[in-house]
Amino acid sequence: DIQMTQSPTSLSASVGDRVTITCQASQDITNYLNWYQHKPGKAPKLLIYEASNLETGVPSRFSGSGFGTDFTFTISSLQPEDIATYFCQQNDNLPLTFGPGTKVEIK
Amino acid sequence: QVQLVESGGGVVQPGGSLRLSCAASGFSFRSYGMHWVRQAPGKGLEWVAFIRYDGNNKQYADSVKGRFTTSKDNSQNTLHLQMNSLRADDTAVYYCARSGSYYNADYWGPGTLVIVSS
Repeated sequence: DIQMTQSPTSLSASVGDRVTITCQASQDITNYLNWYQHKPGKAPKLLIYEASNLETGVPSRFSGSGFGTDFTFTISSLQPEDIATYFCQQNDNLPLTFGPGTKVEIK
Repeated sequence: QVQLVESGGGVVQPGGSLRLSCAASGFSFRSYGMHWVRQAPGKGLEWVAFIRYDGNNKQYADSVKGRFTTSKDNSQNTLHLQMNSLRADDTAVYYCARSGSYYNADYWGPGTLVIVSS
């Protein structure tokens, strides 16, 4: 199975700050990497697919990059409504595997 | 819009069974594969199962193989997960998710909680 690591585990930033989360796969997954936003009690929401493609309707302050094993997710200007846990997920092959998540809080 | 709503969660004793359902709307259910994913309390997400759009190909995580069975009723736009021989470590919120291109879990439901406890 492909293992996904993610850092940091949590972060606290001010409104307007740039936030960056990294995700690493245990083997080459080309660009089969997604980023999700998960708020408590809600359905996880796909933000970025295939490493860098913004899902329809998702604000442009969210972006992703990377290829192979190393990936980055960025919120260019943190907003209060962005408080959530963000996790990466590889869909190169089954079983789908997930990063452990990054909890983002407002300072 | 795409909507997925899970149901059927609850408290069950170890060794017991439970059947989860996922009602789908807002898209052509018969054209998409579906996933089940779970999250145990304080833990990360774990993929559980996948079923192909026509129900003819199913894949399971090793942790549930032989105990869980997923099925797809394309006439009722409903996905099911039959869970047998439940164990304490099956306690989790269970999500259904639509499988887009390359197994991409593009839409998820809000989840249903399963607690396995005596």
